[in-house]
Amino acid sequence: GEDVEQSLFLSVREGDSSVINCTYTDSSSTYLYWYKQEPGAGLQLLTYIFSNMDMKQDQRLTVLLNKKDKHLSLRIADTQTGDSAIYFCAESNRGGYNKLIFGAGTRLAVHP
Amino acid sequence: DTEVTQTPKHLVMGMTNKKSLKCEQHMGHRAMYWYKQKAKKPPELMFVYSYEKLSINESVPSRFSPECPNSSLLNLHLHALQPEDSALYLCASSPNQGSPYNEQFFGPGTRLTVL
Repeated sequence: GEDVEQSLFLSVREGDSSVINCTYTDSSSTYLYWYKQEPGAGLQLLTYIFSNMDMKQDQRLTVLLNKKDKHLSLRIADTQTGDSAIYFCAESNRGGYNKLIFGAGTRLAVHP
Repeated sequence: DTEVTQTPKHLVMGMTNKKSLKCEQHMGHRAMYWYKQKAKKPPELMFVYSYEKLSINESVPSRFSPECPNSSLLNLHLHALQPEDSALYLCASSPNQGSPYNEQFFGPGTRLTVL
């Protein structure tokens, strides 16, 4: 089956690291994505990881993938107020149409 | 141009009205998508067009009618909507539907309110 789960809320202090977690159930997923959505806006792709990788780093963002546990995390270093948004993890379904299956989204609140 | 544009930004309509949402991209993408997003929820896929042909309809009620006039444009025609259809409607595009890496580029959305 296809199910992506995330915790709903995370609050961090400015300058600290944020870690947003996600679990998925489809072991055949080839790519996993992190999208950011600011209030009233569309979704912006932040980063992605291919399923045969364990880690991917892109400036302040680090994605860790534990394929055995089907666990994905997004770490944001030196979190800024501009990082306040909803973060969605998503997996590509391999059922022939590569649909994106989204988690419920984690609201990140950054306070001074 | 790496943008997906959507018009209008906001739309208020009555249950007897007919309106259309428009989406445009000039990235040469051959797959285009409509999503519906309710408050505090993830986007839900409605329709997928691949090479201008409808390839996925996620059992969407017929009061929503998609149209893909050409590879750059995607419309969503609305008729006899219900108040529960009020939501943010997001359009997205991707290079093609079939590749395993399917980065979708999203537009800013149309905020629809049905009275």
